[in-house]
Amino acid sequence: QQQVKQSPQSLIVQKGGISIINCAYENTAFDYFPWYQQFPGKGPALLIAIRPDVSEKKEGRFTISFNKSAKQFSLHIMDSQPGDSATYFCAVSPKSNDYKLSFGAGTTVTVRA
Amino acid sequence: NAGVTQTPKFQVLKTGQSMTLQCAQDMNHEYMSWYRQDPGMGLRLIHYSVGAGITDQGEVPNGYNVSRSTTEDFPLRLLSAAPSQTSVYFCASSRTGKNIQYFGAGTRLSVL
Repeated sequence: QQQVKQSPQSLIVQKGGISIINCAYENTAFDYFPWYQQFPGKGPALLIAIRPDVSEKKEGRFTISFNKSAKQFSLHIMDSQPGDSATYFCAVSPKSNDYKLSFGAGTTVTVRA
Repeated sequence: NAGVTQTPKFQVLKTGQSMTLQCAQDMNHEYMSWYRQDPGMGLRLIHYSVGAGITDQGEVPNGYNVSRSTTEDFPLRLLSAAPSQTSVYFCASSRTGKNIQYFGAGTRLSVL
């Protein structure tokens, strides 16, 4: 049983557009919400992460929005570029053990030039 | 620094064979873990270790063994491979107190 549900499974966006990926969880013990980016043939790499004490975190063109009451968080990729084409995974971990990540199923993003 | 190194990159096994997937990191990280990645399932935690001599089970540990005799190495053993273990395996490491997990490039395993 997956601890976090991720949608959509895939999306296609035009260059310069906005990509939005959503994740939802049930367990209120989760305290750390990272997003990982994975290119074909490579391992995942941390992109951006948030703690529940803030509602939004922005790093460059990537923003996490966090809704604690709804138990949802999302990744927004602004001004999407072809180099952003990758698979994105959300993850959750409990406060008691930041290392035990549970990942969503992943979203494959394709940015068309 | 090489980071997290996994060997081999590709492996084909027959059902019932055993093998060890190697993982080594040169960042002196205390925490190491193994995940498997399957289509539509994301990454699932198999086993993890918080330091030399300490290991614990993750979400999908059945059919896999691990040991951690040094800080640098964390091998994953398949004792009797099954077709259900066909997957891409990733090793990751992290420093205690830091949430960033660094992943290796993966081992693609096929069990026939």
